[in-house]
Amino acid sequence: EVQLVQSGGEVKKPGESLKISCKGSGYFFPSYWIAWVRQMPGKGLELMGIMFPADSDIRYSPSFQGQVTISADMSISTAYLQWSSLKASDTAIYYCARPITGRTGYMDVWGKGTTVTVSS
Amino acid sequence: DIQMTQSPSTLSASVGDRVTITCRASQTISSWLAWYQQKPGKAPKLLIYQASSLETAVPSRFSGSGSGTEFTLTISSLQPDDFATYYCQQYDTFSWTFGQGTKVEIK
Repeated sequence: EVQLVQSGGEVKKPGESLKISCKGSGYFFPSYWIAWVRQMPGKGLELMGIMFPADSDIRYSPSFQGQVTISADMSISTAYLQWSSLKASDTAIYYCARPITGRTGYMDVWGKGTTVTVSS
Repeated sequence: DIQMTQSPSTLSASVGDRVTITCRASQTISSWLAWYQQKPGKAPKLLIYQASSLETAVPSRFSGSGSGTEFTLTISSLQPDDFATYYCQQYDTFSWTFGQGTKVEIK
């Protein structure tokens, strides 16, 4: 079974750093793009960026460029989303998902989401 | 970015009703459109891709149509399991964008 398993919820203070993870299983991780999608409380879905693990091709949505870093470790089939200095406005659920390709961007597999709460 | 606008934002319907949700793109996206269903506390689930192709294991009461800038998701006979929020997503141009969502509520 193809799965994306995300790390657990986090509670952080403003200014702290954070790295959350998404582990793929049941498929050849390097050959599929990974996307990160934000859902703020009570709001809709926003694409943050995508990455192709095999060659580290990364594309950020304009609103998220410079705000987060997407990376991956192929050896453990895991993708990451990280912040260097969190803000209260980063409070959200973050989903990883698998686009069919970097061009055909519908997402057929989703992780369950990681809830990030940033509060002083 | 291409803007995606869904209507209505909220829809009240009864079990057995035929339900139609509309999604409009701010510029032509050919048929590069997907539909997702999201239930509270759950991740989105892919229903339709390429505007009208049904994802594996999705019930046939769901259907999608349209091309260019106007698209529809239709549920032919609403079932209790279908009360959820539905999102369209364009993947014609990166950065891929979602509609704001349509919540289907029990009437």
